[in-house]
Amino acid sequence: KAGVTQTPRYLIKTRGQQVTLSCSPISGHRSVSWYQQTPGQGLQFLFEYFSETQRNKGNFPGRFSGRQFSNSRSEMNVSTLELGDSALYLCASSRQLAGGLTDTQYFGPGTRLTVL
Amino acid sequence: GDSVTQMEGPVTLSEEAFLTINCTYTATGYPSLFWYVQYPGEGLQLLLKATKADDKGSNKGFEATYRKETTSFHLEKGSVQVSDSAVYFCALRSGSARQLTFGSGTQLTVLP
Repeated sequence: KAGVTQTPRYLIKTRGQQVTLSCSPISGHRSVSWYQQTPGQGLQFLFEYFSETQRNKGNFPGRFSGRQFSNSRSEMNVSTLELGDSALYLCASSRQLAGGLTDTQYFGPGTRLTVL
Repeated sequence: GDSVTQMEGPVTLSEEAFLTINCTYTATGYPSLFWYVQYPGEGLQLLLKATKADDKGSNKGFEATYRKETTSFHLEKGSVQVSDSAVYFCALRSGSARQLTFGSGTQLTVLP
C-alpha cells in the first residue's frame, strides 16, 4: 500500500507571496492532519480534516488555511508569507475509528518551505 | 494542557551500546503513547506505540513500556547500530483528541 505523499518536496518563496502544499493520504484513510516543524518550536499541530471538514485547529494565524477534497486529498495554503514560516510541513493520515476517534497517524516525507 | 518531556540531546553512543531515551508526559485521561523516528531529510516514521497502561510496544529491537504510575514511556534498545542514528520523538494523543502532542526530539548518533 502506498504511503502518504506530499508535493512538492521543496519550495522557495519570497516574503509576501502565498503557497499551496498538497497531501495525498494512504488509501482508505479519511483523516488528514498537518504539522509544522521548525528548529525553534519543534512539531506543532496546524489542523485536521475529515470528510472535507476541518475538525481541529492549532494555534496559528488565519494566514494558514487548508481544505480537503472528496477523495480525502488535502491542501494547505499559507498567504502573505513571512520569514518565520520557513519550516518542514508534514502531513499525516489516519483511519477513522468508532466513536469519532482516529487511529495511528502515518506521516509523509514533508514539504520543505524556505521563505527568503 | 498536554505535554511531553524528552531527555535533552544529543546522545552519542558506540555501536552495540545500550540505549535509553527518557520520556515523561502530562495528559488528561488515558493517552495513547508513541515513538516516532525521523531520519535526515525525511518525515516521521512510526516506531512503536502503546494504548493502555502496562502495554509494551516493540519494533526493530526497540521497546517502550507505558507506565501510568510514573507517567513515562522510555525508549530502550539493547544494542544500537550505526543505522539507528536519527532523531527520536515521543508523542501522545489524549482522550478524544485527534492531534499528537510531541516532545522536543532527541538526536541520536551511533559511532562505528
